[in-house]
Amino acid sequence: EVQLLESGGGLVQPGGSLRLSCAASGFTFNNYAMSWVRQAPGKGLEWVSAISGGGSSTYYADSVKGRFTISRDNSKNTLYLQMNSLRAEDTAVYYCAKGAGGFRVLGYWGQGTLVTVSS
Amino acid sequence: QSALTQPASVSGSPGQSITISCTGTSSDVGGYNYVSWYQQHPGKAPKLIIYDVSNRPSGVSNRFSGSKSGNTASLTISGLQAEDETDYYCSSYTTSSTLVFGGGTKLTVL
Repeated sequence: EVQLLESGGGLVQPGGSLRLSCAASGFTFNNYAMSWVRQAPGKGLEWVSAISGGGSSTYYADSVKGRFTISRDNSKNTLYLQMNSLRAEDTAVYYCAKGAGGFRVLGYWGQGTLVTVSS
Repeated sequence: QSALTQPASVSGSPGQSITISCTGTSSDVGGYNYVSWYQQHPGKAPKLIIYDVSNRPSGVSNRFSGSKSGNTASLTISGLQAEDETDYYCSSYTTSSTLVFGGGTKLTVL
C-alpha cells in the first residue's frame, strides 16, 4: 500500500524558512517522480514543484521559483521542500504526491502539512 | 501559468448526469492528452479519478468519464449520487514542463 506522510509544517514569520519532508513507503521510491502541491485555506489546488525519480531534473511554478528547492533522498525514501523567503501568500496545506507518467498524473497523495506564514 | 478555467459550481439531481468543463489553451489542455481530474472531499487529500483525458484508475467508478475537444476538457458524472457532492479539479501538463490546475468546481447534488 502506497503511503505518503508529510511533516515539517508550522508557523513561521514572513521572510523565514521551513523544510518540509515527505516519507514514502509501499512502492519503489526512486522509480517515480514526485510533486508538491499546495492549497491555501478555502482555495483551490496549486502545483508547486516536481522532481524526477533520480533527482536530476526539477521543475517549479513561477510563484516559488528562486525561493523553494525540491530534493529527494532515495536512500531514505524521502522527498523534501526547502522553502525560503516565505510570504503570507505561501500559507497553505502542502501535499506531496506520487507521480505517474512523469509528474503529469498525481496518483497518490499524502494527507498534507499546514504551513502558516504570519508575524 | 494561468489557472485552467472551471465553473465555480454545478448541480444535478440524483440519477442525472452532469458535466464539468475545464478550459485552457494550446499550451496546456490543447497541447497534450495529459488532462487529469481529481475529487476532493472537505478536509481530505485529493483523489485521482481520471488521467490522460479519459482513463480511469483501478477502483474508480465507471460513472466517471472524461473527454477533450480542442482546448477544453470535460468530466462527466452519470447516475449522480449523494456521495458525489464535493469539489472537483482538473489539471494539465504544460509546454513549460509544469502542471496547472483549474480553479475547482463545487458539485451539489440536489
